[in-house]
Amino acid sequence: GAGVSQSPSNKVTEKGKDVELRCDPISGHTALYWYRQSLGQGLEFLIYFQGNSAPDKSGLPSDRFSAERTGGSVSTLTIQRTQQEDSAVYLCASSWETSGRKTQYFGPGTRLLVL
Amino acid sequence: ELKVEQNPLFLSMQEGKNYTIYCNYSTTSDRLYWYRQDPGKSLESLFVLLSNGAVKQEGRLMASLDTKARLSTLHITAAVHDLSATYFCAVDGETSGSRLTFGEGTQLTVNP
Repeated sequence: GAGVSQSPSNKVTEKGKDVELRCDPISGHTALYWYRQSLGQGLEFLIYFQGNSAPDKSGLPSDRFSAERTGGSVSTLTIQRTQQEDSAVYLCASSWETSGRKTQYFGPGTRLLVL
Repeated sequence: ELKVEQNPLFLSMQEGKNYTIYCNYSTTSDRLYWYRQDPGKSLESLFVLLSNGAVKQEGRLMASLDTKARLSTLHITAAVHDLSATYFCAVDGETSGSRLTFGEGTQLTVNP
């Protein structure tokens, strides 16, 4: 595909359940980012991957959140024991990693609702 | 900690009018991005500004960057209804790695 894709597009879950969100970056993009967008907090950075490693995971809000990337491509964001405050839109972005000059291209997002 | 502030946060304007959205940021950076978001949609890249004095224009939108003042502007000329959306500026700070720090967003409504 031409752009960043994410699945599922919508997820409703019960408090305490685990969820997995998936991101397929643009082919050839080595950098991948996860952000969260919520009404109260705006757009927040969560984690950044360069290849399969995560040099910056400082935005993950708690140890219930984890992410991995395999094969330098697909990434999965996992939220364990979901809480109502986890409800948000989770956005994935990817970019070329060239000399620090790069535009991040965003996917359509996963809308997570924790009941 | 890098802070990015936009103003105004809400803007209602008539078609045909001009207006400017301001984006101030708190730390040294020469990489600033403008994105557009339509309701229920994701973020669409509008402009990438990579040096002091950079100016980019696309249609009725023009963005500029003053790194000394730590200020970017997004100027709207002769607004049309199709420009109604939320506009975000984002900064890639020198000490913040590759993450983007976003402003709060400016919700623009252009009325016929």
